[in-house]
Amino acid sequence: IAGITQAPTSQILAAGRRMTLRCTQDMRHNAMYWYRQDLGLGLRLIHYSNTAGTTGKGEVPDGYSVSRANTDDFPLTLASAVPSQTSVYFCASSDSEGGGYGYTFGSGTRLTVV
Amino acid sequence: GQNIDQPTEMTATEGAIVQINCTYQTSGFNGLFWYQQHAGEAPTFLSYNVLDGLEEKGRFSSFLSRSKGYSYLLLKELQMKDSASYLCAVMDSNYQLIWGAGTKLIIKP
Repeated sequence: IAGITQAPTSQILAAGRRMTLRCTQDMRHNAMYWYRQDLGLGLRLIHYSNTAGTTGKGEVPDGYSVSRANTDDFPLTLASAVPSQTSVYFCASSDSEGGGYGYTFGSGTRLTVV
Repeated sequence: GQNIDQPTEMTATEGAIVQINCTYQTSGFNGLFWYQQHAGEAPTFLSYNVLDGLEEKGRFSSFLSRSKGYSYLLLKELQMKDSASYLCAVMDSNYQLIWGAGTKLIIKP
């Protein structure tokens, strides 16, 4: 693993199903983030974690939950998927709360809820 | 509210120079970032400005004026591979990144 790994790459999901998007980093970054990207809207923050054991809500947290049991993993769970959650999901990390050295992004998960 | 504005799309010619502008209104300021995103790929970090002035990195330069809430990304000697979306993002007082919707840059031969 080099950087951030997201899985799956893409998924078609029936509405009402539960799904977990996986995110693992090997850079020992403290902070991790989940974004969704929709055409014309840019990146929107769903949840974040400044350090292992803590999480916070971003701009669009409803319908999503996260956990941060250790430094490397930051899974995103959709408890009961709805079509409006169709999007491209990016996980990112940075080596400080300030992120002055930039965020590193995973390759993304393209999710379609039908 | 917090707002980042940048043009939706720009077109330029291979070998030329293009300037992509970004204006922002945020609650606090802890730096401005530019990212490049090719279609279907993840954003990649280009530059970071926290003080006023110009930062140069090869063919790419980024400028910041905090008093005007304004930045631009300057791309010189354009190449076809520079066709991508360019995202402006500002880190607010809570150290959260606020993102613009991105500028799609089309390079023509």
